[in-house]
Amino acid sequence: DGGITQSPKYLFRKEGQNVTLSCEQNLNHDAMYWYRQDPGQGLRLIYYSQIVNDFQKGDIAEGYSVSREKKESFPLTVTSAQKNPTAFYLCASSLRKDRDGQPQHFGDGTRLSIL
Amino acid sequence: DAKTTQPPSMDCAEGRAANLPCNHSTISGNEYVYWYRQIHSQGPQYIIHGLKNNETNEMASLIITEDRKSSTLILPHATLRDTAVYYCIVSRNAGKSTFGDGTTLTVKP
Repeated sequence: DGGITQSPKYLFRKEGQNVTLSCEQNLNHDAMYWYRQDPGQGLRLIYYSQIVNDFQKGDIAEGYSVSREKKESFPLTVTSAQKNPTAFYLCASSLRKDRDGQPQHFGDGTRLSIL
Repeated sequence: DAKTTQPPSMDCAEGRAANLPCNHSTISGNEYVYWYRQIHSQGPQYIIHGLKNNETNEMASLIITEDRKSSTLILPHATLRDTAVYYCIVSRNAGKSTFGDGTTLTVKP
């Protein structure tokens, strides 16, 4: 079945360490997104990408980096510059960001914790 | 994207219809109303979306007022598995959407 796969489901990071969260989709979607969710709160946009080799900052991009070398993949790196990285990270995709009326489809998330 | 206002929580009896309201008084003419839900510790699930007309699918119905300033998501026969946080999003397209705190729906036996 088509969908979005995020891995790992749980991730632990030592302070000062960079970690990379994986997001793969086989929906043939052009646009992909990364969100952060803190306990009891909604989702905040970190980065998004409309096409390969292009991406844009969202509302809370500081301390994060992304790449989009393949249409199917949009990995997120949480760098040591992110001072409060403990959160639930969600990846999503949609047919095209600039096409009206297209919903997003989400993965099941990665929960990142600091050791 | 237009701002939305949702009640923080609602209860519904199992088997009854759940009606979840959303206010979006600043919606623009080309913005859609999207509904998603999130069951604890999972990713949000797309439910339905609409522009002007009422919409229905296998999961729910979406009723949008004529002036488009508010909408209601209807789950016709709520089950315990419908207990979740429901998000109402107003956006021209799927991208760069802001998910607020949503409505926590609790379906009770």
